[in-house]
Amino acid sequence: GAVVSQHPSRVICKSGTSVKIECRSLDFQATTMFWYRQFPKQSLMLMATSNEGSKATYEQGVEKDKFLINHASLTLSTLTVTSAHPEDSSFYICSARDPSGGAVAYNEQFFGPGTRLTVL
Amino acid sequence: GQNIDQPTEMTATEGAIVQINCTYQTSGFNGLFWYQQHAGEAPTFLSYNVLDGLEEKGRFSSFLSRSKGYSYLLLKELQMKDSASYLCAVGRDDKIIFGKGTRLHILP
Repeated sequence: GAVVSQHPSRVICKSGTSVKIECRSLDFQATTMFWYRQFPKQSLMLMATSNEGSKATYEQGVEKDKFLINHASLTLSTLTVTSAHPEDSSFYICSARDPSGGAVAYNEQFFGPGTRLTVL
Repeated sequence: GQNIDQPTEMTATEGAIVQINCTYQTSGFNGLFWYQQHAGEAPTFLSYNVLDGLEEKGRFSSFLSRSKGYSYLLLKELQMKDSASYLCAVGRDDKIIFGKGTRLHILP
């Protein structure tokens, strides 16, 4: 149980284009999903908390107009990197909480496999 | 704010025991997690401590002292597949904040 998928796994795009990354909870409903970014040999940095049916909550320093988050259903959240630039190249990982009781703690997160974004 | 410190890299020998330490300072503490992450992959859950003491799960154990802001992950009978990064992460309110991770190298 508690499986999270991401699509695509890898994407290469030209500078100035927009890229959409999907995060799905496959066997549970997730009212809350999280988006992280990880640069090489760095930690996972929380970008935003995605709440189903409401606006995402962004961490300090994260541009909400550049990283658009939509959580329109209980199983899907999307992150759109708008007008991507080479410095946006990174590993983007989503996670979700499973409120159905399968976690060791209410705040345990289950991670997707990540999306490697390369902006040329 | 929060601050999570763990060693950047460690090296150990196959079959041996290694302890990875983590110190943290945070408000709204809500448990401490350890995750394993292989290069290019997402983190996988190893352990969770919310009360002081030792939690044992097979070859892996995790310890927490809330008063000292200190945790460690103990790996026994090391195997080559244990070569990975180990992330100490602190639950803060409803979020999880990650440390920079410790890259563990296992020598045959």
